Amino acid sequence: IAGITQAPTSQILAAGRRMTLRCTQDMRHNAMYWYRQDLGLGLRLIHYSNTAGTTGKGEVPDGYSVSRANTDDFPLTLASAVPSQTSVYFCASSEESRDPPLPQNTEAFFGQGTRLTVV
Amino acid sequence: AQSVAQPEDQVNVAEGNPLTVKCTYSVSGNPYLFWYVQYPNRGLQFLLKYITGDNLVKGSYGFEAEFNKSQTSFHLKKPSALVSDSALYFCAVRVSSKLIFGQGTTLQVKP
Repeated sequence: IAGITQAPTSQILAAGRRMTLRCTQDMRHNAMYWYRQDLGLGLRLIHYSNTAGTTGKGEVPDGYSVSRANTDDFPLTLASAVPSQTSVYFCASSEESRDPPLPQNTEAFFGQGTRLTVV
Repeated sequence: AQSVAQPEDQVNVAEGNPLTVKCTYSVSGNPYLFWYVQYPNRGLQFLLKYITGDNLVKGSYGFEAEFNKSQTSFHLKKPSALVSDSALYFCAVRVSSKLIFGQGTTLQVKP
């Protein structure tokens, strides 16, 4: 079944350690996104990529980095984890990255999430 | 700043009654608006969207939403709620190819 795969599904990480959250999509979507979900704050955009080879900063990029070497993969790296990065992380993709968008290709598809606890 | 707001943290409704989950937005230019639903321990699922055209948009699972430009709102509605509709609902607006989400509203439908 086509979709987005995130790994791991959950992780407990010691503060100061480096961690990469993986995200792979097989829908050949141009745009990919990383969000974090925190109670009462909804989903906040960390980084995004409109196409392979390009990335951009979202609302809360500090402490995170991304790369987009190809269309399918969009890993999120925490260089030195801190407890405030404890959250649920969602990867998403959408076919359409242009602005204004084509109406038929605008919705985003989400992975199942990675629950990260930094202790 | 371009944003979307969901003024209610939680909405409670009895099964069979109509439901409304509110959303207001603040964007420059034409808004592209979305509703997503999240069930426990799951990712978000797309419900419906407004890009252009008819102000009343119909989506999955019997949900619909009405775009109101003068009130800058995009409220989610359903004529008859089901217990299985209980979930977390997010309104979102597309800004420069990025999706910006509201804080989310928990919908509780009681039998």
